[in-house]
Formats: sequence, structure tokens, C-alpha cells
Amino acid sequence: EVQLVESGGGLVQPGGSLRLSCAASTFTFSNFEMIWVRQAPGKGLEWVSYISGSGGAVLYSDSVKGRFTISRDNARKSLYLQINSLRADDTAVYYCARQFRNNNGYYFFDYWGQGTLVTVSS
Amino acid sequence: NFMLTQPHSVSESPGKTVTISCTRSSGSIASNYVQWYQQRPGSSPTIVIYEDDQRPSGVPDRFSGSIDTSSNSASLTISGLKTEDEADYYCQSYDPWNPVVFGGGTKLTVL
Repeated sequence: EVQLVESGGGLVQPGGSLRLSCAASTFTFSNFEMIWVRQAPGKGLEWVSYISGSGGAVLYSDSVKGRFTISRDNARKSLYLQINSLRADDTAVYYCARQFRNNNGYYFFDYWGQGTLVTVSS
Repeated sequence: NFMLTQPHSVSESPGKTVTISCTRSSGSIASNYVQWYQQRPGSSPTIVIYEDDQRPSGVPDRFSGSIDTSSNSASLTISGLKTEDEADYYCQSYDPWNPVVFGGGTKLTVL
């Protein structure tokens, strides 16, 4: 069964940094695009970032552009999110998810991790 | 940027049928596929409908999806409601300039 396990969350002061990780198992990691989605307490889902299977293409939401960096290590089957200059409104559960793309190019998110909580507070 | 608007909450009794709407603010709802995700309390999202009306394996056929171009909206219909269907439901779509757009979510209460 496909598994995605996030780690690296915690309590950090405003302006601080964290590196989130997402460990993948039981599928060929390099064949799949991946995304990060976050969910503030009691709020809805917000897409944060995307990375292609090779890591050569990345995208960010406007709210995190310039502060967050997505990357991956296909040999380690791991996805990362470096988050800098943290603000209170970055407080959220951060999920990694696998992006399934069919032969026609359409895509959806078929597996999600359990999430890791990032709390930004002094 | 376009938005997807969902009702904040809906409620229905066990055994009944409920429909959750998702209205696209600009651009045609038919231009890009719509997905639906279920998020039970304390759990991660799981996909229940993809490409407007397709059910992943393992999702009961009580769940169905559709789009209506006249109202520029998508709908998730759950029939034969069970208490286990109580969850938040999110629609999601995209366009060439916005790779992922989620609706605000709808809390389904089965009472």
C-alpha cells in the first residue's frame, strides 16, 4: 500500500525556519509529481507547492513564493519543503500528496500523508 | 484567478440523499475536470470523485459526481447516507494559470 509519512513540524518563532519531509514507500517515487497542501486550524485546504517527478519543475502559491522551497531526493524517496521567514498565518497542518496524472494529462491527488503540524508563535 | 464556492454546511438524515454544490466563479466548469475529496474528522483527505464523475476503486457507488454548465457548477451526491459519511468535502479544479484550486469545503452532518 502506498504510504506517505510527513515529519519535521513543530513550534517555531516568527521569522524562523523549518524543513518538512515526506517519506514515500511502496511506489516508484520518481515517476510521480508531488504537492504540498496546508490546512490552517479549522480552515480549508490550501495548495502550497508542486514539484515534477524529476524535480526540474516547481510551482508555488503566491502566499508562499519566495519563502518556501520544494525539493525532492528520488534516491531517498523523499519530498521536502523548506519554509523560511515564518509568519503566524503559516500555522497549519502540512500534507504531502501524490499527484496522479493519466495518459490524457489530467491529474488528481490520490494519496495523502497524515500531515505534520507547524505552529508559528512567540 | 477563479474561485470554487461551496455551501458551508449541509445536513441530512441517515438513508437519505444529499447533494453538495461547487460553483466556479469564472471560466467554464466544463473546461477543467473537478475532483471531490472527503476529510473525516482528524484524518487526511481522500479522493472520492475524480474527472467530474469517476469513482476510484473502493469508493461506494453511493457517491456520484456531475457538472451542470447552466449553473457553472459541479455537484457531489451521496445517496443512502450513513453516519460514516459525516465529514468535510472539498471540490478541486484547475486551469492553465492556477494548477490547484480548492473550494472552501462543506461540512456534512448526518443526523
